[in-house]
Formats: sequence, structure tokens, C-alpha cells
Amino acid sequence: EIVLTQSPATLSLSPGERATLSCRASQSVSSYLGWYQQKPGQAPRLLIYDASNRATGIPARFSGSGSGTDFTLTISSLEPEDFAVYFCQQRSNSLTFGGGTKVEIK
Amino acid sequence: EVQLLESGGGLVQPGGSLRLSCAASGFTFNKYIIYWVRQAPGKGLEWVSSISGSGVDTYYADSVKGRFIISRDNSKNMLFLQMNSLRAEDTAVYYCAKRFDGGSFFDYWGQGTLVTVSS
Repeated sequence: EIVLTQSPATLSLSPGERATLSCRASQSVSSYLGWYQQKPGQAPRLLIYDASNRATGIPARFSGSGSGTDFTLTISSLEPEDFAVYFCQQRSNSLTFGGGTKVEIK
Repeated sequence: EVQLLESGGGLVQPGGSLRLSCAASGFTFNKYIIYWVRQAPGKGLEWVSSISGSGVDTYYADSVKGRFIISRDNSKNMLFLQMNSLRAEDTAVYYCAKRFDGGSFFDYWGQGTLVTVSS
């Protein structure tokens, strides 16, 4: 099973700041990695697919990068609605998720 | 508009059974792989099971293999998850989710249904 490790567990930032979230895979997943946002009491929302492609309707402030084992989700300037939990997910070998990063208001 | 609506969750004793349903609308149901994904309280996400558009091919996480059965009724746009021999660690919100056109990601999700396994 491919294990995805997300860091940090919690990121404390202010609106307008840049957020950088990391996802590391236990073995290469090529570019087959996606990112989701989840707010309390809601289902996850697909943000990024295949490492760097924004899903439909996702604002340009969200960007993804990386390949192989190291991936990054960047939110260029945090909006109030961006404070949430973010999960990465790989589809290279079965389907697994990372443990999540909580982006909280500082 | 794509909609997925789960039902059937509730409290069940260890060793018991439960059947979840997911009603789909707004897309050509029989053309898509549909998934069950669960989330234990305060925890991360776990893929549980998948079923092909025709219903012929099914896949399961090791944690549920031999205990859960996924099925679908394409004539009614319905997805099901029969859960047997339930354990405390199966306690979670269960979501049904639609496969994204560009690969095995989840682009539409239901609101989830809570399954609690406890005596």
C-alpha cells in the first residue's frame, strides 16, 4: 500500500498569507496525485488532479506541483473561506489518502 | 446538476449488518465507476469499495474484503453497500462518490451517512 504523509499537521496563517502544504508518497506515484478541501460537516471537494491541474471552478490561487514522491499544494493568498482541512490522494496503485493538513486562522 | 444522496446509516451492534444506499441523479449513471469512501470521526479518508459502470467489476479495501458487498441497480440509478460482520472500527461517515472523468479521483460526493458500531 502506498502511504501518503502530509505535513505540517496544522498550519496557522492569516488571511492574505501564502500557504504551502506538503504530501510525500512512500513510493513513486508519478503525477497521479490529487488534492481535496474539506470544511466541517461537508464532503471533500476536488481541487487539483494529476498533481497540477485545477478542477472545474477552482480559483487560480490554488496550485499544485510535484511528481514522483514529493508534492505541494500552494494557496497564493488565503481567503477566509480557505481555512479548512486539505487531503492528498493517489491513484497510482489502488486509492489512498494522506492524513490531512488543517489550515487554521492565526 | 449532479446529486448523490446516501441513506441507511445508523447504530448497529458489533457483528451486525447494515445496508447503505446512494441515490444518484444528474449524470449518466451507468457510465461511471462509483465509490464508497469513509471517514472515521475526526480522522482522515479511506477508500472502501468501487464498482464499474456495468456492475460487473467490484473492488474492496483489504479492511472490508469478505465482509462488505458493493452493488448497483442502473435501472434505478442506485448504489448499495451491504455491510456484514460490522466492527467498532467500521464506525464512520460513509460517502458515495462519482469518478472524475480525468482519472480515479472523486469529483462529486454525497453528504454522507453515519454508521456507528457499538454495543
